[in-house]
Amino acid sequence: DTEVTQTPKHLVMGMTNKKSLKCEQHMGHRAMYWYKQKAKKPPELMFVYSYEKLSINESVPSRFSPECPNSSLLNLHLHALQPEDSALYLCASSQDRARNSPLHFGNGTRLTVT
Amino acid sequence: ILNVEQSPQSLHVQEGDSTNFTCSFPSSNFYALHWYRWETAKSPEALFVMTLNGDEKKKGRISATLNTKEGYSYLYIKGSQPEDSATYLCAFLNYGGATNKLIFGTGTLLAVQP
Repeated sequence: DTEVTQTPKHLVMGMTNKKSLKCEQHMGHRAMYWYKQKAKKPPELMFVYSYEKLSINESVPSRFSPECPNSSLLNLHLHALQPEDSALYLCASSQDRARNSPLHFGNGTRLTVT
Repeated sequence: ILNVEQSPQSLHVQEGDSTNFTCSFPSSNFYALHWYRWETAKSPEALFVMTLNGDEKKKGRISATLNTKEGYSYLYIKGSQPEDSATYLCAFLNYGGATNKLIFGTGTLLAVQP
């Protein structure tokens, strides 16, 4: 069982919908990440939070809006998505951003935009 | 653009065979190299984090080596078992201060036939 919990597991949304993906960890990790993965491609970094502050935004379109309400929670708010945004969205956490801190991943949310 | 390449893309072996695959990464601005195992319907799981040239790590039947000067890492599996079937991802961490980021390769899909 993963120690990083993502909800929902699956999400189907229309292009005019607003939805949110949620991620939670209780390992005391201070860095949290959103990755996007499309079929047969490597996971692509979207956002990094460190100590609840946004450290990295990989030029992600504004229709994706991250939020880190506290050190255990990470949300990704979705609005006006396009069909090409359909992908597996992976959340991860690490103890900190030191180079020897491995990432702990959730099982992902499979998003389909219709 | 940072390029992390893995070969082969896929590998089919018989139970008991030993196998290895390669991860190639930029030899400049090296900070760390991670290996993850990703089983179907589960989350990616960290295997190793290596930071020093010449590092060798071992976990049971799986081991990894690192050459930062020439930009490659090998992952070895001795006596493959069906439960080793998974996608093996390497990820390169470039040094960028607060903006250091983990870049994943496309993975090697290993299938071990009983």
